[in-house]
Amino acid sequence: DIQMTQSPSSLSASVGDRVTITCQASQDITNYLDWYQQKPGKAPKLLIYDASTLETGVPSRFSGSGSGTDFTFTINSLQPEDIATYYCQQYGNLPFTFGGGTKVEIK
Amino acid sequence: EVQLVETGGGLIQPGGSLRLSCAVSGFTVSSNYMSWVRQAPGKGLEWVSVIYSGGNTKYAEFLKGRFTISRDYSKNTLYLQMNSLRAEDTAVYYCARALEAATGIGAFDIWGRGTMVTVSS
Repeated sequence: DIQMTQSPSSLSASVGDRVTITCQASQDITNYLDWYQQKPGKAPKLLIYDASTLETGVPSRFSGSGSGTDFTFTINSLQPEDIATYYCQQYGNLPFTFGGGTKVEIK
Repeated sequence: EVQLVETGGGLIQPGGSLRLSCAVSGFTVSSNYMSWVRQAPGKGLEWVSVIYSGGNTKYAEFLKGRFTISRDYSKNTLYLQMNSLRAEDTAVYYCARALEAATGIGAFDIWGRGTMVTVSS
């Protein structure tokens, strides 16, 4: 199975800050990686797929980059409504695997 | 409106069986890749199973053959039959639609709200 190592597990930032989360795959997954946002008690919401493609309707302050084994997710100008846990997931190989999540809080 | 609604969760004793349903509206379940993902209380996301548009199915290894994914074209509904349930199967179970990707199955773009399964005596 492909292991997804996501860091940090939590972070605290101020409104307007730039927030960066990384995800490392245990083997090459090309660009078959996505990012989800999950708010408490809610289902995950797809933000980015194919490592860098923004899902329709998602604000442009969210972005993703990377390929191979190393990926980055960025929130430019953190907003109060961005408080959530974020997960990366690879779909290059079965079984699909998720990162451990990053809980983002407002400082 | 595109919507997934899961039902069928509840409290079940260890060793018991449960069937989850995911009613789909706004698209045809049999024309899409559909999956189940679960989340234990306070934990992360864990992929469970997928059914391809052609009908092939795949499962997470840890299930060891206890779960079966299926669909009903006439009801436009996805199912997850869960047998020999264990305490560690306690989780919110989400159904999700997957986009198509070069590898076949891509990201999960539509999710239901989930149904809670609690396995306890």
